[in-house]
Amino acid sequence: SQTIHQWPATLVQPVGSPLSLECTVEGTSNPNLYWYRQAAGRGLQLLFYSVGIGQISSEVPQNLSASRPQDRQFILSSKKLLLSDSGFYLCAWISKGHGGAEAFFGQGTRLTVV
Amino acid sequence: AQSVTQLDSQVPVFEEAPVELRCNYSSSVSVYLFWYVQYPNQGLQLLLKYLSGSTLVKGINGFEAEFNKSQTSFHLRKPSVHISDTAEYFCAVSDHAGNTPLVFGKGTRLSVIA
Repeated sequence: SQTIHQWPATLVQPVGSPLSLECTVEGTSNPNLYWYRQAAGRGLQLLFYSVGIGQISSEVPQNLSASRPQDRQFILSSKKLLLSDSGFYLCAWISKGHGGAEAFFGQGTRLTVV
Repeated sequence: AQSVTQLDSQVPVFEEAPVELRCNYSSSVSVYLFWYVQYPNQGLQLLLKYLSGSTLVKGINGFEAEFNKSQTSFHLRKPSVHISDTAEYFCAVSDHAGNTPLVFGKGTRLSVIA
């Protein structure tokens, strides 16, 4: 069965420090992978998506970047964190089978920038 | 492009009372519709989905939703809620081709009161 792993679960980082959040998927190949950010009262904001190795699409201009070095690995990064980067980050894998485009989520990373 | 509106940001309800969480969508093409639930500091879990066929969809934990094409709605209902239903609920839409990521509403916070 397909599973998605995301770590770390929580992270407290000072302003100006770098960031690296990792997401890996098991049980499928060539998945479409997504990074969402969730801020209170604002729902889920799509940050990046990737349809294959080295292919990254950015939905909003921001202080973050994403990379896909391997088929089932998706990394969210920042060189210098801002206070506004605080939030709950979710990695997702979206299937396109007979069931339609359904998303499977990791457990999320709570990032607090101090 | 699709969009989703969840009309209520917070819904308080007494235990064992019925509840309806409202969702309206906008799309120029045929869509798939989803409801997800999120417990504190966790990822999102699929409650139910509408792909085609019967407009009344039954999901996990006793929830159901009805697709109404003329009103472009997909409201979530439960006849009798429990304390454990306290969570954030998200409505989401995707197009049939699955070429675009899921678009989420801003969420509805359901609080069940003993």
